[in-house]
Amino acid sequence: DAGVIQSPRHEVTEMGQEVTLRCKPISGHDYLFWYRQTMMRGLELLIYFNNNVPIDDSGMPEDRFSAKMPNASFSTLKIQPSEPRDSAVYFCASSLGELFFGEGSRLTVL
Amino acid sequence: LAKTTQPISMDSYEGQEVNITCSHNNIATNDYITWYQQFPSQGPRFIIQGYKTKVTNEVASLFIPADRKSSTLSLPRVSLSDTAVYYCLVGVPGAGSYQLTFGKGTKLSVIP
Repeated sequence: DAGVIQSPRHEVTEMGQEVTLRCKPISGHDYLFWYRQTMMRGLELLIYFNNNVPIDDSGMPEDRFSAKMPNASFSTLKIQPSEPRDSAVYFCASSLGELFFGEGSRLTVL
Repeated sequence: LAKTTQPISMDSYEGQEVNITCSHNNIATNDYITWYQQFPSQGPRFIIQGYKTKVTNEVASLFIPADRKSSTLSLPRVSLSDTAVYYCLVGVPGAGSYQLTFGKGTKLSVIP
């Protein structure tokens, strides 16, 4: 298996633009997680899904953030409109027990 | 969810054994203890998991005393490539709540 695949690896955008991050989990994993990592706040859980259903989105910072999982092999995290404080590395992880992380998407909002 | 406490940072010389202790005073009966390792510019990766006593794999050992209120990750003979952040998590494997809180972890710096 190729592992958890995230795209894009790097994204630079201007404030106010829409950003969409994508994730393909490991086949057969029934949990999918979106995390955000910054130097100041560490690794924060944003939202997680079980069998494609959002279970807990209490970590989503505000309404500008949304996440979807239309099927078992694909999830998106969208930020609209983006702001400079959204700059971070966004990780997707999938799990049957322990977590398997993707390589992350580094977002820079100018 | 059981809260964990770890040292913020540790330094070690190459070739030494490193022990990182995690406190989890309110661990529940069904909780397991799991450690993850994160290298710069990568996502965390699973190292080891245990419930009680001692667990060993090719990478590390995990020591858990009888009261399970703490655990120690032991890395034998560290090398420069072991420089990373190490996270301790407590919870029930497979349940969504298990994955919630990584905390700041312990930043291990291995010195030549």
